[in-house]
Order: sequence, then C-alpha cells, then structure tokens
Amino acid sequence: DTGVSQDPRHKITKRGQNVTFRCDPISEHNRLYWYRQTLGQGPEFLTYFQNEAQLEKSRLLSDRFSAERPKGSFSTLEIQRTEQGDSAMYLCASSLAVGARAFFGQGTRLTVV
Amino acid sequence: TQLLEQSPQFLSIQEGENLTVYCNSSSVFSSLQWYRQEPGEGPVLLVTVVTGGEVKKLKRLTFQFGDARKDSSLHITAAQPGDTGLYLCAGPLMGATNKLIFGTGTLLAVQP
Repeated sequence: DTGVSQDPRHKITKRGQNVTFRCDPISEHNRLYWYRQTLGQGPEFLTYFQNEAQLEKSRLLSDRFSAERPKGSFSTLEIQRTEQGDSAMYLCASSLAVGARAFFGQGTRLTVV
Repeated sequence: TQLLEQSPQFLSIQEGENLTVYCNSSSVFSSLQWYRQEPGEGPVLLVTVVTGGEVKKLKRLTFQFGDARKDSSLHITAAQPGDTGLYLCAGPLMGATNKLIFGTGTLLAVQP
C-alpha cells in the first residue's frame, strides 16, 4: 500500500499525558499537512511542511503542540499535557506540489479521558 | 467564522431522491475540491473544479463552480445508500495556495 499511513489509528490517554502520532506520506510527496477534525465537522488546518521545513502553523497549534519532519519524509505530531479539548481525529495529508491533489491518511482518533 | 459554509449541515433522505449540497464563501478560491469521508476514514477526493462556471459530472454527481469562484454546489441524482457519508468542500484561497481550507461539512444519510 503506497498511500498515506498514520499510526496509531486510535489512542486513549489520560489528561495530562503526552502523546505522539506518526505520519508516513506518499514517498515522492514533498508537502505534508496536519489537520484536526471533530465529529461531523470539516478538518481544521494545523500546520504544513515542505520537505523538512515547517512553513506555516495555525493559531490552533498552541505551545503544547509540536510537529516535526526531520528528514523530509515521515512526520510526528506531539501533544504535551493533553486536555479533554484535544480529543479529535488528527489527519495527515501529503501532496506532490503546491496546488496538487492532497491524499489523506485514515487519521488518528485521540480520546483524552 | 468559517471561510467556507456548507448547507445543509445534515440531510436524511430516501433512496432514489435527489439532493443538492451548497458550499459558500465571501472569499475567492483558486479552485474548489469536493471530498467524501466515511466514519473512521480520511477524506477521499471526488472532483476538483478550477474555472469559474465550470460544471463536472461524475456518474450521478454533478459539481458546479460559481462564476465568481466563491461558491460551489454538489447535486446527487437518485441517491443510493452507498452515497451516505460526510461531504466536504475545500479549496486554496486565491493567492494563498499553500493549504486547503475545508468547509463545515454536510452529513448525508440515504435510507434504503
């Protein structure tokens, strides 16, 4: 399967714990995006990378959130000191270039209890 | 305030009925995409419309991009239970093509 893959698919964590999600984009895609989606709503942009450079971060991405793409391939999204409001689906997408079709992964469903 | 507003938010119809979903904005988009998302999965691209006034057909689905590139519609003819899902419009703002802005979503349920 050469699509975008995300790991884990589901994560349940206690409030205050740190969590890290991983995204493996399609191999030749240099753009990688993170979105957050709550139930029945459209995805909200969090951040994106071109190769290893993080070029834009949304105001939604508080200081507790950090994303990396160290070698321009896979990316990680870490949430520190999780809060119940962080419960959502975290989606990763990749594309070949600006304006090109974005392919989405299946997402990581985070539940903070 | 959402840049892309979709209506209706929810729609429950019987198999065989027709429906239209609207995607509206006060901003101009360089293109608009429509996605369908099933529970527990990521959005899957259905179509991209690029030119103002453009109409694209995909089997029973007809997509239209407004002349001013601020709105779009999705019309489904003779809906089937397999059409059930969350429909999302999305696009890059004109002059800011680095990311997709998503609409608020329309949850469609087609009853057999």
